[in-house]
Amino acid sequence: DAGVTQSPTHLIKTRGQHVTLRCSPISGHKSVSWYQQVLGQGPQFIFQYYEKEERGRGNFPDRFSARQFPNYSSELNVNALLLGDSALYLCASSLTRDNSYEQYFGPGTRLTVT
Amino acid sequence: GQQVMQIPQYQHVQEGEDFTTYCNSSTTLSNIQWYKQRPGGHPVFLIQLVKSGEVKKQKRLTFQFGEAKKNSSLHITATQTTDVGTYFCGGSNYKLTFGKGTLLTVNP
Repeated sequence: DAGVTQSPTHLIKTRGQHVTLRCSPISGHKSVSWYQQVLGQGPQFIFQYYEKEERGRGNFPDRFSARQFPNYSSELNVNALLLGDSALYLCASSLTRDNSYEQYFGPGTRLTVT
Repeated sequence: GQQVMQIPQYQHVQEGEDFTTYCNSSTTLSNIQWYKQRPGGHPVFLIQLVKSGEVKKQKRLTFQFGEAKKNSSLHITATQTTDVGTYFCGGSNYKLTFGKGTLLTVNP
């Protein structure tokens, strides 16, 4: 079975632009979570979606938004990019409605904002 | 909000030495998860602990969950070069909060 897939793998944007990152969960997984990982830090929770509904939101500004589609894939959108948004964006899928069970991470999207 | 602290931040060992990383939460956790991230890679799930005082072993790795469900540890016996990477603990209530991780390097 295919694991979690994310696209694109790398992205370079300039300040003020917006970006859309995509994630496809493992087949059968209905929960998708998004994390931001800055170099040298642990992943920081951004959003969780389960069955197309937002189940949790981390401490991120409203410039960050996400959605989940009927096939359980997900998009993360970031508007008005700042230099500080440069990071590895990880998507994780799991079986359960909350994050109380194993998270399967994708390879991530490396976003560079210049 | 919930905070998860991990120590040490870095650990360099000679191959064959033991290694331990500690994780402490500011709040009681429903469970704790441990992940390993190789350089340039993504976090990979190692184990989940749920019960107070729980101890689990995976070959050379031993995981413990504290009695108060606020701390945890990962111990690796006789490290190997394949153990290199950053080890993260993630404390879960309704969302997963990760520590900053412990970067383990192993000198062959």
